[in-house]
Amino acid sequence: ETGVTQSPTHLIKTRGQQVTLRCSSQSGHNTVSWYQQALGQGPQFIFQYYREEENGRGNFPPRFSGLQFPNYSSELNVNALELDDSALYLCASSSQGAGANVLTFGAGSRLTVL
Amino acid sequence: AQKITQTQPGMFVQEKEAVTLDCTYDTSDPSYGLFWYKQPSSGEMIFLIYQGSYDQQNATEGRYSLNFQKARKSANLVISASQLGDSAMYFCAMRARGGKLIFGQGTELSVKP
Repeated sequence: ETGVTQSPTHLIKTRGQQVTLRCSSQSGHNTVSWYQQALGQGPQFIFQYYREEENGRGNFPPRFSGLQFPNYSSELNVNALELDDSALYLCASSSQGAGANVLTFGAGSRLTVL
Repeated sequence: AQKITQTQPGMFVQEKEAVTLDCTYDTSDPSYGLFWYKQPSSGEMIFLIYQGSYDQQNATEGRYSLNFQKARKSANLVISASQLGDSAMYFCAMRARGGKLIFGQGTELSVKP
């Protein structure tokens, strides 16, 4: 059973640029969510995808967008990058349904915006 | 509003001793779930333990146990027999409506040899 994998692991961008982060969900999981973790903070929910549709969104502007593909993998796109977008971006997958619905996280993509 | 509070920015514990990491939560929903995750310096969030709001008994997973006091809205993590590899950030989280997790600020645990 493979876990959640994210790419790239590190990247550096400049203000105004656009970035795409990728995530492969754990085998058997159909739901993907993205979190932003600023330095020294807890993760903040960005949005969640289920059946290729966004079905929940946190307090993030529209320049944060995403996709989920038929194989349940996902992308996070951020346009017009700002300095405050510098953070660790975590992807998590889970299975919709009853129970604990434990989220399995990847190791994250660390974005630095200069 | 739903909120998680972790009041201990950093904790030290001697190897082989037990340590308690504090977590309080706020929610008006009768049904909720509480989680603890460990985050080593590598960045990956590792699931440790889960407690459902209707669970009658405190959750346990190996050396981890959750001291769930519903009336006080607390869900403290107890790590028994600390090991050097337990040094990491620990996050308490609550599952909100729709399945998203609300995290606390975290507690950095350092285990001393």
